[in-house]
Amino acid sequence: DGGITQSPKYLFRKEGQNVTLSCEQNLNHDAMYWYRQDPGQGLRLIYYSQIVNDFQKGDIAEGYSVSREKKESFPLTVTSAQKNPTAFYLCASSISIGRGYNEQFFGPGTRLTVL
Amino acid sequence: KNQVEQSPQSLIILEGKNCTLQCNYTVSPFSNLRWYKQDTGRGPVSLTIMTFSENTKSNGRYTATLDADTKQSSLHITASQLSDSASYICVVSGTSGTYKYIFGTGTRLKVLA
Repeated sequence: DGGITQSPKYLFRKEGQNVTLSCEQNLNHDAMYWYRQDPGQGLRLIYYSQIVNDFQKGDIAEGYSVSREKKESFPLTVTSAQKNPTAFYLCASSISIGRGYNEQFFGPGTRLTVL
Repeated sequence: KNQVEQSPQSLIILEGKNCTLQCNYTVSPFSNLRWYKQDTGRGPVSLTIMTFSENTKSNGRYTATLDADTKQSSLHITASQLSDSASYICVVSGTSGTYKYIFGTGTRLKVLA
């Protein structure tokens, strides 16, 4: 069953803690992305990766970190430096970034709440 | 600045009625425009994609139009169903730069019985 998965679905964090959100895909896609979604706002890009061992900052990378050690995995760490981390986080993948024609396939999302 | 604006922000219609959602963009140079449907608490799912040369594309009860001259697109939903209740996101891709996807803020549609 091909697709992109995220875990956990819900995550609660105390202030000052780092947490890592998992994103895995078995679509053999080169490109992967992390977005943050807040109520009433569009998706905002946190980080993206075109290929293994490469990643680029998006518009709101401060307080976040990523790694891309394997093609199928792109975990996102929300650090204590992120001032307002409560949000819905979406991971996506596409065959490549290319000319932007390639469809982005999204995971089911992780809702992070800071207590 | 490359931007994508959607209207209305939210819309309530009765089941069985039609509706049209709008997307205006300033992305240049333009590559393609895609409409996504996002159910509450889920990831977006692609409905249609349109390139510069395409005017209309349908996917079941969903019909997207594109006017590349005026940089406008619309998504028309025919004979709405309760399951159409969702957010609809317009995403425009350009051809310059490495990352090319520009997201609109979405239209939240509620279909009432």
